Amino acid sequence: ETGVTQSPTHLIKTRGQQVTLRCSSQSGHNTVSWYQQALGQGPQFIFQYYREEENGRGNFPPRFSGLQFPNYSSELNVNALELDDSALYLCASSAPGQGLSYNEQFFGPGTRLTVL
Amino acid sequence: AQSVTQPDIHITVSEGASLELRCNYSYGATPYLFWYVQSPGQGLQLLLKYFSGDTLVQGIKGFEAEFKRSQSSFNLRKPSVHWSDAAEYFCAVVGGSSNTGKLIFGQGTTLQVKP
Repeated sequence: ETGVTQSPTHLIKTRGQQVTLRCSSQSGHNTVSWYQQALGQGPQFIFQYYREEENGRGNFPPRFSGLQFPNYSSELNVNALELDDSALYLCASSAPGQGLSYNEQFFGPGTRLTVL
Repeated sequence: AQSVTQPDIHITVSEGASLELRCNYSYGATPYLFWYVQSPGQGLQLLLKYFSGDTLVQGIKGFEAEFKRSQSSFNLRKPSVHWSDAAEYFCAVVGGSSNTGKLIFGQGTTLQVKP
């Protein structure tokens, strides 16, 4: 069983540029969540996708957007990059509901984004 | 609003010593609580979780945690720390509607293990 994978591992961009980060969910998982983890901080929820629709969003501006594809992989897009966007971006996938109202999230290794 | 506080930013213990990492949460109803560990260059690995029932939960790698509603706490413990336990530890609670899966994390505690 393949776990959650993310690409690229590292990325360097300059202010004002746009970036796309990718996530492949674990086999059988149809829900993907994205988190931003700034240096020395805990992860913060950006948004979640379920069956290709956004299903909850955290306190992030609209320049953070996402997509989920029919194979349940996902992209995180950030426009007009700012220095404060420098962080580790984590993707997590979870399985369809099986009688529990909460399903465990499995995290990928993350993408380290540096904005100069 | 839900929140998680980890009062200790950095803890150093000797190998073989016991460990307790503190976590306090703010949540109106019965919370879903988690402890994750993050090693350098790695994603988050779930150590243990509490949804309901027995307030003492056992996890992987010899960790356990105790849910205390009266103190709004969910402290992580290990009786004997190994050098490989050095990592960043995060406490988290499910925020909002439980089925959105939004996790709210604390700031994290960095564990250093002395030989």
